[in-house]
Amino acid sequence: AQRVTQPEKLLSVFKGAPVELKCNYSYSGSPELFWYVQYSRQRLQLLLRHISRESIKGFTADLNKGETSFHLKKPFAQEEDSAMYYCALHPGAGGTSYGKLTFGQGTILTVHP
Amino acid sequence: NAGVTQTPKFRVLKTGQSMTLLCAQDMNHEYMYWYRQDPGMGLRLIHYSVGEGTTAKGEVPDGYNVSRLKKQNFLLGLESAAPSQTSVYFCASSYGGPTQQYFGPGTRLTVT
Repeated sequence: AQRVTQPEKLLSVFKGAPVELKCNYSYSGSPELFWYVQYSRQRLQLLLRHISRESIKGFTADLNKGETSFHLKKPFAQEEDSAMYYCALHPGAGGTSYGKLTFGQGTILTVHP
Repeated sequence: NAGVTQTPKFRVLKTGQSMTLLCAQDMNHEYMYWYRQDPGMGLRLIHYSVGEGTTAKGEVPDGYNVSRLKKQNFLLGLESAAPSQTSVYFCASSYGGPTQQYFGPGTRLTVT
């Protein structure tokens, strides 16, 4: 069974500082990894997925299969980045996973002015 | 498009009472999911459905039942609510596979 671990429940940084939200996973196959974000009083929404290799709102994440990690990074944090961030894993295309995601515990990011 | 909607937004139940949470989506998605969100636990899958008339158990199904009589609706039922079911419940839908899931706004349920 797959597992996703976000070791930091809370992360605080100052505006303009770099930020890295950690995500580690355990899965024997070739998973697809996602970052979802939940801003205050808003619904959970997709931030980015590793397969698209995009930069969204200045955030990037690289899948490191050797270290089984998918850390989320941003070089200069903004106050509007304050939110709850979830890392999520899908077992990959094919099989009978039915689109089910395994979520990490979440990290609350606070960016101070 | 409204996307994914959930009814109600808030609810307070007494132990032993029953209720049904409604999720509706207008994106013609085949797959729908019910999660619960608890502090320090992340989102955990309760039940899911891969199409009209089908349902399956997720990670934490005990105490819940679901039905998918219409493609656009996915109902989550609590037959006899317990304080351990106090949580925020999220519904999501997707095209299936490793694709984006679209979430509803959530229902905050308190069981006293």
